[in-house]
Amino acid sequence: QVQLQESGPGLVKPSGTLSLTCAVSSGSFSSRDWLTWVRQPPGTGLEWIGEISHSGKTYYNPSLKSRVTISMDKSKNHFSLSLRSVTAADTAVYHCTTHPAGEGQLVNWGQGTLVTVSS
Amino acid sequence: QTVVTQEPSLTVSPGGTVTLTCASSTGAVTSTYQSNWFQQIPGQAPRALIYSTTNKHSWTPARFSGSLLGDKAALTLSGVQPEDEAEYYCLVQYGDMWVFGGGTKLTVL
Repeated sequence: QVQLQESGPGLVKPSGTLSLTCAVSSGSFSSRDWLTWVRQPPGTGLEWIGEISHSGKTYYNPSLKSRVTISMDKSKNHFSLSLRSVTAADTAVYHCTTHPAGEGQLVNWGQGTLVTVSS
Repeated sequence: QTVVTQEPSLTVSPGGTVTLTCASSTGAVTSTYQSNWFQQIPGQAPRALIYSTTNKHSWTPARFSGSLLGDKAALTLSGVQPEDEAEYYCLVQYGDMWVFGGGTKLTVL
């Protein structure tokens, strides 16, 4: 079973940068795998933020593309999410997820971490 | 902006059958859209149920099935159990990106 753990500041000031890390259990991110970030504002639905492949290819939600970067450090099995110029609308639980290509989306989920944007 | 629409809420009796649907603002949902379905119980992370419209994961209970129904993707629960009460989300592919539906709150009553 793949283990995913998100971490990062729980509070970010407006106009600042939200930075989160996802740790994937050792050896669990293979050449077929993708890592995706998903968020869920309190009491509302899910939003697909973007994804990165094992080779580093990235795709982003067009509504967030100008502010978001997903990157990875494969040697450490760490993946990062950076969201710039945040507002209160970016307050949400942020999840990292993984899946192998061709076997369904978002198969393995981290428990998620709540990030609040507030001064 | 692409919008994926689901029924906001549905109610079903234990043992009954219910179908949840997923519609696209761009037109008919076909197999090309690679629809996925997820179940989310309050306080938990979502759990994948269905991928590529009809495929079940190894952990997906047999009573869950995915299909295309008219111009929508559909998730059917047959023989609903009390533990199926949850929020259900579809996820649809549009080129290089994916879009979640707004979710359906399923009540088992």
